[in-house]
Amino acid sequence: GIQVEQSPPDLILQEGANSTLRCNFSDSVNNLQWFHQNPWGQLINLFYIPSGTKQNGRLSATTVATERYSLLYISSSQTTDSGVYFCAVDLPGGSGNTGKLIFGQGTTLQVKP
Amino acid sequence: DAGVTQSPTHLIKTRGQQVTLRCSPISGHKSVSWYQQVLGQGPQFIFQYYEKEERGRGNFPDRFSARQFPNYSSELNVNALLLGDSALYLCASSLEAGYEQYFGPGTRLTVT
Repeated sequence: GIQVEQSPPDLILQEGANSTLRCNFSDSVNNLQWFHQNPWGQLINLFYIPSGTKQNGRLSATTVATERYSLLYISSSQTTDSGVYFCAVDLPGGSGNTGKLIFGQGTTLQVKP
Repeated sequence: DAGVTQSPTHLIKTRGQQVTLRCSPISGHKSVSWYQQVLGQGPQFIFQYYEKEERGRGNFPDRFSARQFPNYSSELNVNALLLGDSALYLCASSLEAGYEQYFGPGTRLTVT
């Protein structure tokens, strides 16, 4: 089956620093989503980005589907950015997307004041 | 607008018991998916339902079952609970099958 690998597994930043999180996937995918999981377990949607580049405030994401990777950029990090960041891919099915998200293992980010 | 809601928030059960978890999707969403997340790992896909029909099933034993109701809400049932079933159970809804998924706050199940 498809493999989704995220790097780095852990990241510690000083408040105000920038960071790049990477998601590699081993096969063609139709969709890709980035999530932030807060300490209470809630998965918060960051980006729905099957290809191209999107920006939302201090966060931006780029997916290069032909090269099977996606990047999440966090600029001017804040302590509230701490948590686990997941990428998840949706496999192509017979009639489009399957709706079965395959998650990576996550990147745990700690932002220190 | 209300997001995805799940109940209960927390649950403690004994080995061998049965449990039912509930999920209400975002209004207008027709697809509901269930995921299991054990500590330190990413969520694992269990089931997807669309228009009240099962559209996908992950690699979980037959002790796990689910259904979707005419109002698109859903229940996940787990029979004969094992210690290894202790996890955060997440429900996600999407407008249609395969569209962007939005997750509820989860139900944290502890099996003792």
